[in-house]
Amino acid sequence: DGGITQSPKYLFRKEGQNVTLSCEQNLNHDAMYWYRQDPGQGLRLIYYSQIVNDFQKGDIAEGYSVSREKKESFPLTVTSAQKNPTAFYLCASSFGDGYTFGSGTRLTVV
Amino acid sequence: GENVEQHPSTLSVQEGDSAVIKCTYSDSASNYFPWYKQELGKRPQLIIDIRSNVGEKKDQRIAVTLNKTAKHFSLHITETQPEDSAVYFCAAPFNQAGTALIFGKGTTLSVSS
Repeated sequence: DGGITQSPKYLFRKEGQNVTLSCEQNLNHDAMYWYRQDPGQGLRLIYYSQIVNDFQKGDIAEGYSVSREKKESFPLTVTSAQKNPTAFYLCASSFGDGYTFGSGTRLTVV
Repeated sequence: GENVEQHPSTLSVQEGDSAVIKCTYSDSASNYFPWYKQELGKRPQLIIDIRSNVGEKKDQRIAVTLNKTAKHFSLHITETQPEDSAVYFCAAPFNQAGTALIFGKGTTLSVSS
């Protein structure tokens, strides 16, 4: 069953710690994306990658980092430099038009 | 860069009525405009999209219209049903290749029976 998997579903971290969110897809899609969803703010683009070993900043990349070492994987690290990290994070992939979204990770930093 | 404005933020209609959601964009070079639906607790899903070489596209009860001159596009839902209740997002290309999207802030549609 093809799809895109985000793990974990819920994540709690202490302030000042870096945390990595996982995103894996078996759809053979070239492009992958990370969005942040806050109430009333829509989906804001953090980073995207169109091909392995390449990625670009989105609108709100500050305080985040990514890597794309494998086609299937696009992990997102939320660093301690991100001022307001508590949010719902969505990963997506695409081949041509239309995104396939993961089910999201809700990160809470206390 | 591209900027997408979406209105209204909330919309309440009676079952059977029509609903219209509008988005404006800033980059005249943008050429692809999708709409996503996110039901409560679920992931967003593409429901319809339009490219800049056409003015209108329909799929059963939903349609999207595009006005390139005015730089706005709209989602039209006819004969609304309770299962249409969801958050709807419009989007436009963030990068030149059009692979990355920038989304509007969303419209919460409530259909009451």
